[in-house]
Amino acid sequence: GESVGLHLPTLSVQEGDNSIINCAYSNSASDYFIWYKQESGKGPQFIIDIRSNMDKRQGQRVTVLLNKTVKHLSLQIAATQPGDSAVYFCAEKIGTGGGNKLTFGTGTQLKVEL
Amino acid sequence: NAGVTQTPKFQVLKTGQSMTLQCAQDMNHEYMSWYRQDPGMGLRLIHYSVGAGITDQGEVPNGYNVSRSTTEDFPLRLLSAAPSQTSVYFCASHRRPNTEAFFGQGTRLTVV
Repeated sequence: GESVGLHLPTLSVQEGDNSIINCAYSNSASDYFIWYKQESGKGPQFIIDIRSNMDKRQGQRVTVLLNKTVKHLSLQIAATQPGDSAVYFCAEKIGTGGGNKLTFGTGTQLKVEL
Repeated sequence: NAGVTQTPKFQVLKTGQSMTLQCAQDMNHEYMSWYRQDPGMGLRLIHYSVGAGITDQGEVPNGYNVSRSTTEDFPLRLLSAAPSQTSVYFCASHRRPNTEAFFGQGTRLTVV
């Protein structure tokens, strides 16, 4: 079976509630951040991104907040649905060269309870 | 529009065997990358390319080779497979820096 997801932090929420997934990043020089969703057996899927010159960015039902002072990133999902159940990864890019050399966090498992 | 296509989806190798994981994208993206994903460790960058003919090492390059002869293809070669290379491998592409990367569906590799 799918082994990705073992030993991951888990967030359980009720359907319809808001979810907040947190991520601490490592390098103050990082200039680009991105959130991915990964369902079991599938590749990561883009959710939302944010550049370091912004504090907040909103998408459809999702908001990313960036706090550069404490090197913290969060993903807020409004009105969480069963289809939101997945592993969520934050990633940071350091520097301007080399394209998107992304460094990923270890992920958070989101479980939506009916 | 296929996006990023990886083959094979599953592979079992014996220690010491060699193989190539294929990755192709049809979005005319200049940037392509290979990651491996292990339990509890997120995705780690193996090699990347910023265009045809240009490749560079990522975080965990040992035991892997890459080449980029065309914009579309970015194969990953294991010259002598080891059990430590058992993992799920993902290929990704993106158009330019600071834009989203599109991932393939992954190749699950087991080395026995």
